[in-house]
Amino acid sequence: GAGVSQSPSNKVTEKGKDVELRCDPISGHTALYWYRQSLGQGLEFLIYFQGNSAPDKSGLPSDRFSAERTGGSVSTLTIQRTQQEDSAVYLCASSFTGEREQFFGPGTRLTVL
Amino acid sequence: QKEVEQDPGPLSVPEGAIVSLNCTYSNSAFQYFMWYRQYSRKGPELLMYTYSSGNKEDGRFTAQVDKSSKYISLFIRDSQPSDSATYLCATYNFGNEKLTFGTGTRLTIIP
Repeated sequence: GAGVSQSPSNKVTEKGKDVELRCDPISGHTALYWYRQSLGQGLEFLIYFQGNSAPDKSGLPSDRFSAERTGGSVSTLTIQRTQQEDSAVYLCASSFTGEREQFFGPGTRLTVL
Repeated sequence: QKEVEQDPGPLSVPEGAIVSLNCTYSNSAFQYFMWYRQYSRKGPELLMYTYSSGNKEDGRFTAQVDKSSKYISLFIRDSQPSDSATYLCATYNFGNEKLTFGTGTRLTIIP
């Protein structure tokens, strides 16, 4: 079946603008994760959804970041008033609850000018 | 101090060589240890995982965990140019279902 998909694949925006990043998980996967990957920093955990609720938002770097998930499926990560330090690859992953293996999408490469 | 430390490299070795990739971790509660491979412009994919201390072999790849020293290793035998990628170690916490990643080691196999 289809893997995790993310859109857009690339996004260039100006400082101060809002952006929305979308993740379509593998059908049937109940858990969904967002990570940020910056050069030399590895993958940084942002937020985790179990169904539509987010029991762990501890990784969101500031209140400019928010995420939601609807219908236990699609998730959007919103960054308001983008800053240059937000430039990174944003990765989404999904899994069945309690499964160790997370399946990753190709990521959205965000560049803030 | 990061919970999982990994030398970012880059590491370049000739084709056919044995590659050794390593990580250390600080939280003794971690029990599952994983290796992900990430090709350029792609998301990471799970290569293999081990539970607690010991070795696990899968083809040319061997994962090794030494919990006494909090040391994780991945060995690649008979390395191929197609093995060129970034390799990320990770630990899995059952309590919060969270993966904690190292920074990744960028590996290039030279034909």
